[in-house]
Amino acid sequence: DQQVKQNSPSLSVQEGRISILNCDYTNSMFDYFLWYKKYPAEGPTFLISISSIKDKNEDGRFTVFLNKSAKHLSLHIVPSQPGDSAVYFCAASWTSGTYKYIFGTGTRLKVLA
Amino acid sequence: GAVVSQHPSRVICKSGTSVKIECRSLDFQATTMFWYRQFPKQSLMLMATSNEGSKATYEQGVEKDKFLINHASLTLSTLTVTSAHPEDSSFYICSASGQPLAKNIQYFGAGTRLSVL
Repeated sequence: DQQVKQNSPSLSVQEGRISILNCDYTNSMFDYFLWYKKYPAEGPTFLISISSIKDKNEDGRFTVFLNKSAKHLSLHIVPSQPGDSAVYFCAASWTSGTYKYIFGTGTRLKVLA
Repeated sequence: GAVVSQHPSRVICKSGTSVKIECRSLDFQATTMFWYRQFPKQSLMLMATSNEGSKATYEQGVEKDKFLINHASLTLSTLTVTSAHPEDSSFYICSASGQPLAKNIQYFGAGTRLSVL
């Protein structure tokens, strides 16, 4: 049972435009959500996170939106840059216990120059 | 800051041998370390969670006698794949969280590609 889903395995966006990556989850007990970026041959690096008490968190070009009623979160990158080309994973977590993550399958973003 | 080093990056071994993978936090105290496994085109699946000085907690379906985890210090955790078989071939990746970092952010190593012949 895949509790966290990223239904788009890949996405191509023109440089300067907005990239929107989506993630859906099924477990309403998740209360913390994160986005990680992964380049080839490197480990995932933390990008941005959001607590379930918020519906938006912004950090520079990156904004994460959370819709709890729809169990959906999205990552917006504006403007997109070629260096943003990577695989993006969303993860869901609980802010209790060991804070373990449940990851989605990832979306490969390609930003075209 | 928050660098996690994982070695080796790639290992090829014969069936029946054991392989040890190391995960080190270089600039913080890793009170909790996590071990994941990733199959092609699938998500990172959590195998186990370990707290420094304690026994690891394994996820359902993960054989603890097959995948031995040791977290003996605040900077080092090891995963030993015992009597490896071809079906153990996969990408293994560790992560760590701890002091003085945010408790709910994990920092990842670069991963180890294990190929069992």
